[in-house]
Amino acid sequence: GESVGLHLPTLSVQEGDNSIINCAYSNSASDYFIWYKQESGKGPQFIIDIRSNMDKRQGQRVTVLLNKTVKHLSLQIAATQPGDSAVYFCAEKVNNQGGKLIFGQGTELSVKP
Amino acid sequence: DAGITQSPRYKITETGRQVTLMCHQTWSHSYMFWYRQDLGHGLRLIYYSAAADITDKGEVPDGYVVSRSKTENFPLTLESATRSQTSVYFCASSELGGEAFFGQGTRLTVV
Repeated sequence: GESVGLHLPTLSVQEGDNSIINCAYSNSASDYFIWYKQESGKGPQFIIDIRSNMDKRQGQRVTVLLNKTVKHLSLQIAATQPGDSAVYFCAEKVNNQGGKLIFGQGTELSVKP
Repeated sequence: DAGITQSPRYKITETGRQVTLMCHQTWSHSYMFWYRQDLGHGLRLIYYSAAADITDKGEVPDGYVVSRSKTENFPLTLESATRSQTSVYFCASSELGGEAFFGQGTRLTVV
């Protein structure tokens, strides 16, 4: 069945260090992947996305890597800041299945000053 | 204001009561979604809709009913609330090829 999961439930990093959050997915038909950030008491916010025809995509301080061979997705945050502390979710979508978006469990990122 | 709004933000209801959570978006997005979020389960898809009058079940649809008579609204109804439906509920909207935008959530407590 479809599932998206995360390797680590919690991650603690020092301010200024780089963070890497990992995600495994099982549906090889998924063609669109999204990383969301969720702060306490708020809805998930879009960070960055990547389509299955790409291996890497960069944004401001964030990079998403997609390895379709092993069905692995990662989010890299450069120079992590206290404001990056949140729960991060990966999500996958199979566009020919009506745009249904399935989420993984989430990783809580804690940034120590 | 443009965006996606949910109401109410907080709701306490009794077991067995019917309760409806509202969701309204101003982008005219085709797709709308309802998720529930519980500790240890992340976000689980309850129902989604591809367009007005088109709805489909997600991962955890039992005990919920949805409708989509207008593109901008996607209400979620718990016909007979149970304690296991205590959760935070998120509504989202998107276009087919794009990311989903989420509302602020509704915290529902069933006592």
